[in-house]
Amino acid sequence: AQKITQTQPGMFVQEKEAVTLDCTYDTSDQSYGLFWYKQPSSGEMIFLIYQGSYDEQNATEGRYSLNFQKARKSANLVISASQLGDSAMYFCAMREGRYSSASKIIFGSGTRLSIRP
Amino acid sequence: GAVVSQHPSRVICKSGTSVKIECRSLDFQATTMFWYRQFPKKSLMLMATSNEGSKATYEQGVEKDKFLINHASLTLSTLTVTSAHPEDSSFYICSARLVLDSSGNTIYFGEGSWLTVV
Repeated sequence: AQKITQTQPGMFVQEKEAVTLDCTYDTSDQSYGLFWYKQPSSGEMIFLIYQGSYDEQNATEGRYSLNFQKARKSANLVISASQLGDSAMYFCAMREGRYSSASKIIFGSGTRLSIRP
Repeated sequence: GAVVSQHPSRVICKSGTSVKIECRSLDFQATTMFWYRQFPKKSLMLMATSNEGSKATYEQGVEKDKFLINHASLTLSTLTVTSAHPEDSSFYICSARLVLDSSGNTIYFGEGSWLTVV
């Protein structure tokens, strides 16, 4: 069963608008972590934001915020005031269970975001 | 600058040969590194977890004898694609977890390696 679901294969957004990228996850663990990464066309993975399952407040990092709704098992990424440089693939990822040195991180299928000037 | 370095960034090899990809953590120790494979416009698929000083843990469906992983030191893990075939052509990317981070959330990715088997 797919653990991380990103239902938007591609999105187009006008520059300076806010955009929400959807992510839902499936786990039976009480302790887990959720990540968002950005992958430009060059291929490197850029860490954007992290949310722990026990974190009471939604994570924020500059223009990025994570809308964490635990009961609905969703962890949507919100990018405010989008910029042309935000055009990239965005991956939602999850670390299942309590952290250990071998804890795996699994990725969703990704959303390709394109910012229109 | 990059804290995890992968080399080579691009490699072309002939079918039947072996190719080695290195993943180095720069300025930090990583007892655990992860190897992913990514097909064009697809997600990252975890291949194996590389543990320093012990055997790698492979994901289901990944051939251990084909994708040899060695993690000989706290800063270096290598992936060797043996007897490469065109279907092994892909983007391979590693990540390293910072040892000193007890939360487990400080993970750095390498720049990735494009492998083309002709």
